[in-house]
Parts: sequence; structure tokens; C-alpha cells
Amino acid sequence: GAVVSQHPSRVICKSGTSVKIECRSLDFQATTMFWYRQFPKQSLMLMATSNEGSKATYEQGVEKDKFLINHASLTLSTLTVTSAHPEDSSFYICSAEGAGGLDEQFFGPGTRLTVL
Amino acid sequence: GQQLNQSPQSMFIQEGEDVSMNCTSSSIFNTWLWYKQDPGEGPVLLIALYKAGELTSNGRLTAQFGITRKDSFLNISASIPSDVGIYFCAGPNNAGNMLTFGGGTRLMVKP
Repeated sequence: GAVVSQHPSRVICKSGTSVKIECRSLDFQATTMFWYRQFPKQSLMLMATSNEGSKATYEQGVEKDKFLINHASLTLSTLTVTSAHPEDSSFYICSAEGAGGLDEQFFGPGTRLTVL
Repeated sequence: GQQLNQSPQSMFIQEGEDVSMNCTSSSIFNTWLWYKQDPGEGPVLLIALYKAGELTSNGRLTAQFGITRKDSFLNISASIPSDVGIYFCAGPNNAGNMLTFGGGTRLMVKP
């Protein structure tokens, strides 16, 4: 099956620093990738839709200047949490859309961000 | 917006028992997806349902797409410890540009 990787899997940083998370589709090309945030014991909340070669579409309440998304190629999307604060600590998960569309989303293993 | 309500929120069962969980919505979904998320991992698709009334199995898992297209259930038979995790239902929104996820059912299995 299709594989999506995320790097790093875990990151701990000081408040005020910026953190970049990579999402790669390893064996297929993905025009569209999604970024989710998941707080403990809660569901996945869509943050933004990342489209290759164009600007990301952000969900209501998600600051685009704080969560910078770059989808520079068909196999890589990056999420940069700028000036991270403790409230940004969360589990960030990406997914890549396969040829089958929305029904065929392959999820990455997630990145646990802890901001001290 | 469209919302998916899952129940129960959590279950603690004995190994070998059967499990049933469901997902309901006030609006129609044309596709129902069931995912499992292991602790510290991303979700993995278990079953996809595309037709009202459809009943689909994947090993010990069985899922059904409700006739009204407003609900779906997932059954797990003869549970084993590795069934532990969070089970999410999901479906495409009306615009077809994102998935809506239910709140999840946390399953714990006692050996």
C-alpha cells in the first residue's frame, strides 16, 4: 500500500522557536496533502489543505502566518510552526490524497510537538 | 457544518468479546470510512462503504452503510489485544474537498 512518512516523529523545542515538519509520499505522487492537529483524547481537526504549486487553504481559526505550509513538489509538503508556544504542543498528522481522491487518503505516522 | 457523532466514546472489554460501535449524522453522507488509530500513530483505513445498505467485511471487522445514509456501524468479532486503539468514522463533506471525522471510539481490550 501507499506509504506516507513524516519527519521528525517527535520534537521538543523552546517557546519562540520555529519548527518544520515534513510530509512525504514515498511511492506515489500527491497533488493534495492535508495537515491535521490532534489534541489528547480528541479527534483529528483539519488545519489546512496543501496543494502542489499553489497556496494552501486554511480552515477557519487557523492562522496562516503561524502555520506556514509549502507544497513544493508532488511528494513533499512542509508545515512550519512559527514562534511556537506551549499551546501549540500537539500531535500533527499529515495525509496525502491518492488517485482515488478524498476516499483514498494515506496518513503519515504523525509528529508529536512539545513546546516548553 | 456536517458533524459525525460516534458512540460509545470508549469501551473496555474482555478479550474474545464482540464489539459494536456506531456513527450517526444529521445529514447524508455518500461515503463512510472507518479508520483505526494505534497509539502514537496516524489513522489507517479499515473499511470504505459507498452504497446505502452495503455490508462489508475485512477479516473480523464488519461495517454497514445505513439505509438512510445517515449512519454506519462497525463490528469487531472475537476481539484480541491488538484491537486496542481509537476507531474513527469519517466521510467527505458536501463540497467533496475534505474529510469530516467523528469523535472516535477508544477501545481497550483486557487479555
